[in-house]
Amino acid sequence: ETGVTQTPRHLVMGMTNKKSLKCEQHLGHNAMYWYKQSAKKPLELMFVYNFKEQTENNSVPSRFSPECPNSSHLFLHLHTLQPEDSALYLCASSPRDESNNEQFFGPGTRLTVL
Amino acid sequence: AQSVSQHNHHVILSEAASLELGCNYSYGGTVNLFWYVQYPGQHLQLLLKYFSGDPLVKGIKGFEAEFIKSKFSFNLRKPSVQWSDTAEYFCAVNGWNAGNMLTFGGGTRLMVKP
Repeated sequence: ETGVTQTPRHLVMGMTNKKSLKCEQHLGHNAMYWYKQSAKKPLELMFVYNFKEQTENNSVPSRFSPECPNSSHLFLHLHTLQPEDSALYLCASSPRDESNNEQFFGPGTRLTVL
Repeated sequence: AQSVSQHNHHVILSEAASLELGCNYSYGGTVNLFWYVQYPGQHLQLLLKYFSGDPLVKGIKGFEAEFIKSKFSFNLRKPSVQWSDTAEYFCAVNGWNAGNMLTFGGGTRLMVKP
């Protein structure tokens, strides 16, 4: 248990559905991250938030829309996804978005797009 | 842009064998280096990290890694593996002044036979 929780743990959705992934951290951190882990590909950073402000968008398609209402919560809103978006989506947090900060990861949401 | 290569995708060892997992990175400036581990069914967690100082870094569970700047390498080692070390190991790097944008390698799956 790292102090970072994600819900749901598994999600199956159609290409026309709208769903949201939720991440919550209980560590008092100020930076939060979304990563995508696909089969046979390295873990890819998607978004970075620092003190609720988005500081990085790693060329992610607009069908993925992040939201960070406060430093403890991070959402990833999904709409009109493609089958190739099926992957494990990991949330992480760190004290700040500085390069020497360890990131703490959640268990991930396994997403399947039909 | 930074990138990370882990050359061994799958490694199978017997208990008590020595382990060395390769990690090479490309980045033109000062870097921070990390090894993360993901045990079956568990979260990604930090094994060890290098920011500065002694290039030989010791982590949890008897692991160590050596930063060799001239070779752009940060190989992970353990003198004697145990069955419980069966996991996937990820090397990651970020630039010293590039925020906390980790770039991960593709991972190495280690299986230790009892």
